[in-house]
Amino acid sequence: DVKVTQSSRYLVKRTGEKVFLECVQDMDHENMFWYRQDPGLGLRLIYFSYDVKMKEKGDIPEGYSVSREKKERFSLILESASTNQTSMYLCASSSMGAGVYEQYFGPGTRLTVT
Amino acid sequence: GNSVTQMEGPVTLSEEAFLTINCTYTATGYPSLFWYVQYPGEGLQLLLKATKADDKGSNKGFEATYRKETTSFHLEKGSVQVSDSAVYFCALYSSNNAGNMLTFGGGTRLMVKP
Repeated sequence: DVKVTQSSRYLVKRTGEKVFLECVQDMDHENMFWYRQDPGLGLRLIYFSYDVKMKEKGDIPEGYSVSREKKERFSLILESASTNQTSMYLCASSSMGAGVYEQYFGPGTRLTVT
Repeated sequence: GNSVTQMEGPVTLSEEAFLTINCTYTATGYPSLFWYVQYPGEGLQLLLKATKADDKGSNKGFEATYRKETTSFHLEKGSVQVSDSAVYFCALYSSNNAGNMLTFGGGTRLMVKP
């Protein structure tokens, strides 16, 4: 079974702090994704990566950056956390294999910025 | 561009009732279609999928049929249980999606009462 893990289930940070959210997958997937989920807004893609050191902006990249130094790990960075970044953050991964497009999700990190 | 539209929730049913959650899509070509489920406090899990017209995906008593003529992929279950209470997301992959991204619907919350 594919396993996607996220470093924390719950996180509380102060405004202005630098925040790192870590995601690790164990299935050698090429693609990795970061979403945020907010009530009434569904899932919104922040960034994705299709290879080591590669990154692409999603729908809402402002205020975020990412890092992918190793294939299995994809980090989301909030350079200076703000209260409007309080949200549930979901990481996902998928294979680049032909005809295989489903994404596998981690359990999520609920971030509160005070 | 691609889009997925789901019925708005919440959907409230009594145990053993019949469930339908509607999903329609707009996409170029022949997309692959997915249903994901999110239990409270958790990430998304792939529930079922269909990759071509008239395919039926099924899992855990849920099923959905890929209807190209009506561009729909409605989720059904004959007899729901309290443990089915969750948020359900319809999603698609189309060949014009960059980086194997999925397009998600807004989610439908299901509440099943004993």
